[in-house]
Order: sequence, then C-alpha cells, then structure tokens
Amino acid sequence: DIVMTQSPDSLAVSLGERATINCKSSRSLLYSSNNNNYLAWYQQKPGQPPKLLIYWASTRESGVPDRFSGSGSGTDFTLTISSLQAEDVAVYYCQQYYSTPITFGQGTRLEIK
Amino acid sequence: EVQLVESGGGLVQPGGSLRLSCAASGFTFSPYWMHWVRQAPGKGLVWVSRINSDGVDTTYADSVKGRFTISRDNAKNTLYLQMNSLRAEDTALYYCVRGGDRSSTTSYDSWGQGTLVTVSS
Repeated sequence: DIVMTQSPDSLAVSLGERATINCKSSRSLLYSSNNNNYLAWYQQKPGQPPKLLIYWASTRESGVPDRFSGSGSGTDFTLTISSLQAEDVAVYYCQQYYSTPITFGQGTRLEIK
Repeated sequence: EVQLVESGGGLVQPGGSLRLSCAASGFTFSPYWMHWVRQAPGKGLVWVSRINSDGVDTTYADSVKGRFTISRDNAKNTLYLQMNSLRAEDTALYYCVRGGDRSSTTSYDSWGQGTLVTVSS
C-alpha cells in the first residue's frame, strides 16, 4: 500500500498570510506514460463531505479560488493557500489515486492564529 | 447538478448486516466508476471499495474484503454496499463518491453527505 504522510498535523496562520501543507508518499505517484502525478487535495469543513480542490497535483478544480495552488512531483507535494481567509478553516487531506488501495493522508487541521 | 444521496445506515449489533444505498442523479450514472469511502467519528478518510461501470470489476480494502460487497443497478441509478459480519471498527460515516467515467484512477469530484453506521451492542 502507498502510505501518505502529511505535515504538519495542525497549523495556525494569520488572516491574509500564507499557509503551506506538505504531503509525502511512500512511492512515486508520477506515471511516466502520461507525466501525470496521481495526487489530489481535498478540503473538509465540519459536518460536510470533503470537497475536491486540486487534482493531478496542480490542476485546480472548477470554482476553487485561485489562492489555492498545488505543486510537487514524484513523492513530495504541497498545497499552498496564498492569503488565508476565514472560510478556509478546515481539515485538508491529500489522496493518491495511483493504485489501489486508494489512500489518504491523515489530515491537516488549519486554524486562524 | 450532481447529487448522491446515501441511505440505509443505522445501529446494528456486532456480527449483523446492513445494506447501504446511494441514489445518483444529475448525471449519467452508468459510465462512472463509483466508490465508497468511510470516516470514523473524528478520524480521517478511508477508501472502502470501488466498482466499474458495468459492475463486473470490483475492488476492496483488505479490512472489508470477504465481508462487504459492492454492487450497482444502472437502470435504477443506484449504488449499493452490502455489509456483513459487522465489527465495532466498521462504525463510520459512509460516503458514496463518484469516480471517473473513462478511468479507474481518478480523483473524486462529487461526494454524498454520508450515512452513519454504528456497530454496537
């Protein structure tokens, strides 16, 4: 199984500041035949299902604000929120869909400082 | 608008069974891979199972293999999860999730609200 490890487990950032969440996979998620990284990011607010933010490691889902961006390749990935807004308080998960079992990181709780 | 509405959750004793359903609407159900993902109270997301468009190809997490069965009825636009020999550790909110329409390996762009399964005596 591919193990996904996020850091940090929790993060407190001031409004308007940058928030960075890291995700490391135990195996490369880069598929050489199409040069895609099989990595997604989700946001989950209390009492709600997860919401897709980023797929293919860096492609923003339609409707997601451009302050959210994804980067990285292979085994190391980053979700960046360029200017934190109050509505971004949530738990964020990375997910690999390279192979089954599909696995998620443990989650990173983002709060306002 | 894509809608996935789960039902069938509830309280069940250890060793018991439940059948979850997920009614899909707002899109053409039949071409899509469909998945179940669960989340124990206060915990993270765990993938449970997936099924391909015609129901022939199914995959399970090791933790549920041999106990759970995923199926679908494309005529009814409905996904199912038959859960047998339930254990306390199966207690979770079960989400119905849409996968891809051409590939088994895609991110999840649509989630239901979930149905809660509680296994307790």
